[in-house]
Amino acid sequence: DIQMTQSPASLSASLGETISIECLTSGGISNYLAWYQQKPGKAPQLLIYGGRSLQDGAPSRFSGSGSGTQYSLKISDIQPEDEGIYYCQQGYTYPLTFGSGTKLEIK
Amino acid sequence: EVQLVESGGGLVQPGRSLTLSCAASEFTFIHYYMAWVRQAPKKGLEWVATISSSGTTTYYPDSVRGRFTISRDNAKSSLSLQMNSLKSEDTATYYCARRHTRGAFWDYWGQGVMVTVSS
Repeated sequence: DIQMTQSPASLSASLGETISIECLTSGGISNYLAWYQQKPGKAPQLLIYGGRSLQDGAPSRFSGSGSGTQYSLKISDIQPEDEGIYYCQQGYTYPLTFGSGTKLEIK
Repeated sequence: EVQLVESGGGLVQPGRSLTLSCAASEFTFIHYYMAWVRQAPKKGLEWVATISSSGTTTYYPDSVRGRFTISRDNAKSSLSLQMNSLKSEDTATYYCARRHTRGAFWDYWGQGVMVTVSS
């Protein structure tokens, strides 16, 4: 199974700041990586797929990068609505697996 | 707008069975793989099952294989998850999700349905 190690577990950011969340995989996943945002009491929403492709409707301040076993999500110009939990997920091989999540708090 | 609406959740005793349903609309259901993803209270996301567009191929993690069965009725645009031999660790919100055309990611999710396994 591909293990997903996501960091940090939590972070706090100010409005307008830029932050990054990392996801390390236990094996290569050829950019078959997605990032989701989840707000309290709501279903996750897809932000990035294929490592770097922005999902339709996701704000352009979200961007993804990486290759092999190292991937990251960058959020530029942080807005109040960006508060939530972010998860990475590999879609390379079954069983499909998620990172443990990063809780983003807006100061 | 794509809609996925789950139903069938509730409280069930350990060892018993429960079937979840998901009604899909506003997209061509037969063209898409579908899946169930769950989230235990205050925990992260866990993939539970995937079914191919035709319904002929299914995938499960070890944690539910042999106990859960995913199925679909393309004529009715509906997805189901039959859960047998339920355990307390199956307590979670269960989401129905549509697989993205570009890979095993999920671009649309239902609102979720809660399943509580407890005596």
